[in-house]
Amino acid sequence: QPALTQPPSASGSPGQSVTISCTGTSSDVGGYDFVSWYQQHPGKAPKLMISEVNKRASGVPDRFSGSKSGNTASLTVSGLQAEDEADYYCSSHAGTFGYVFGTGTKVTVL
Amino acid sequence: QVQLQESGPGLVKPSGTLSLSCAVSGDSISRGNFWGWVRQPPGKGLEWIGDVLHSGIATYNPSLKSRVTISLDTSKNQFSLTLSSITAADTSTYYCVRSPGWYRIDQWGQGTLVTVSS
Repeated sequence: QPALTQPPSASGSPGQSVTISCTGTSSDVGGYDFVSWYQQHPGKAPKLMISEVNKRASGVPDRFSGSKSGNTASLTVSGLQAEDEADYYCSSHAGTFGYVFGTGTKVTVL
Repeated sequence: QVQLQESGPGLVKPSGTLSLSCAVSGDSISRGNFWGWVRQPPGKGLEWIGDVLHSGIATYNPSLKSRVTISLDTSKNQFSLTLSSITAADTSTYYCVRSPGWYRIDQWGQGTLVTVSS
């Protein structure tokens, strides 16, 4: 099962918004509402931010939001802050393949 | 709070077997969650290896299925990963993880780097 496709990088100035896409197929993203997003700072373990497309994990600021249309899911970070600079990974249920992760997007706060 | 801690050798020889354990505190592995492993090669993305339900039923990434075993040790409240016939491509940071279901991973260990080299 190929990895989900994410843009390698995204950036924005403090206070601006950035949206990251996550494109799969009808066998994963398009077929299930089980898309999650993880934030990973350098040298750290990933942290769950969003699950089931648009449900924020406990303690995650409401600046983070998720959505899905067809085979593409998106993560939007509004009101960018310096601490949002990190790698972001999407994941999706993929039927008999279990989980599939995205290729990852490095978010830079300018 | 829930904590997961990986342990095992940091260096394994090619063609050998990688064995890691994950000690769980703050939760019981016998109770209603999935316990699994995710790996990340240096500088690259995440790859799901597999998981095991509290009942002992395991599910694996099809690309690794022939080489991997994940099992529970309820007496020690820990679970383990065994990966056989390893090559340099298996060099990664290995994370043990918890999933409460709905295909989300809500707890991660700190990760342990395993290097495959002779």
